[in-house]
Amino acid sequence: NAGVTQTPKFQVLKTGQSMTLQCAQDMNHEYMSWYRQDPGMGLRLIHYSVGAGITDQGEVPNGYNVSRSTTEDFPLRLLSAAPSQTSVYFCASSYILCLAGCNTGELFFGEGSRLTVL
Amino acid sequence: GQQLNQSPQSMFIQEGEDVSMNCTSSSIFNTWLWYKQDPGEGPVLLIALYKAGELTSNGRLTAQFGITRKDSFLNISASIPSDVGIYFCAGSLLPGGGADGLTFGKGTHLIIQP
Repeated sequence: NAGVTQTPKFQVLKTGQSMTLQCAQDMNHEYMSWYRQDPGMGLRLIHYSVGAGITDQGEVPNGYNVSRSTTEDFPLRLLSAAPSQTSVYFCASSYILCLAGCNTGELFFGEGSRLTVL
Repeated sequence: GQQLNQSPQSMFIQEGEDVSMNCTSSSIFNTWLWYKQDPGEGPVLLIALYKAGELTSNGRLTAQFGITRKDSFLNISASIPSDVGIYFCAGSLLPGGGADGLTFGKGTHLIIQP
């Protein structure tokens, strides 16, 4: 079972370069999200999506773009990398269950992408 | 936004000891989750709690959803070397896991000496 797959696992960039972190899930989850993890800060939400064509900002969205053209994929783009974006990035997904209302379930995380910006 | 205070920040214990960590919040949550992150990996869900007062076990792990809905604790009994890692609590205003409403604690680093 692949689950949530992130690529690349490691990346070094120079300030001002752009790049895309890829995330794919094979669980048919509607909800997908990106977090960054920094020492002493825990996990902070960057962007999230509740379905194809729908994205929204989290706690720390500045400097990042996302798109959701398919249910499976949720890439994170850094348009002009800065040293402050040095971090470990996690993609996560969850199902959405609608009965009386719609609720998300528990998050499933990828293995992380370690980004260093020089 | 919501804030969670997770403590302790780190624990350095002997193998075989019991471990206890907790999370508190100034606001109520409707779901509490506990995750473990192994070195170089993503967090993995350990226990999910959905009701105030709920006590749930998963092997040597036991977690409780505080009756005030503002706190949760995680206990690990008879620790073993593979328990090493970072443990995160997470609370959500939403029921059923509430992935789109999660707030994470800053983590408890557990280090075990053989």
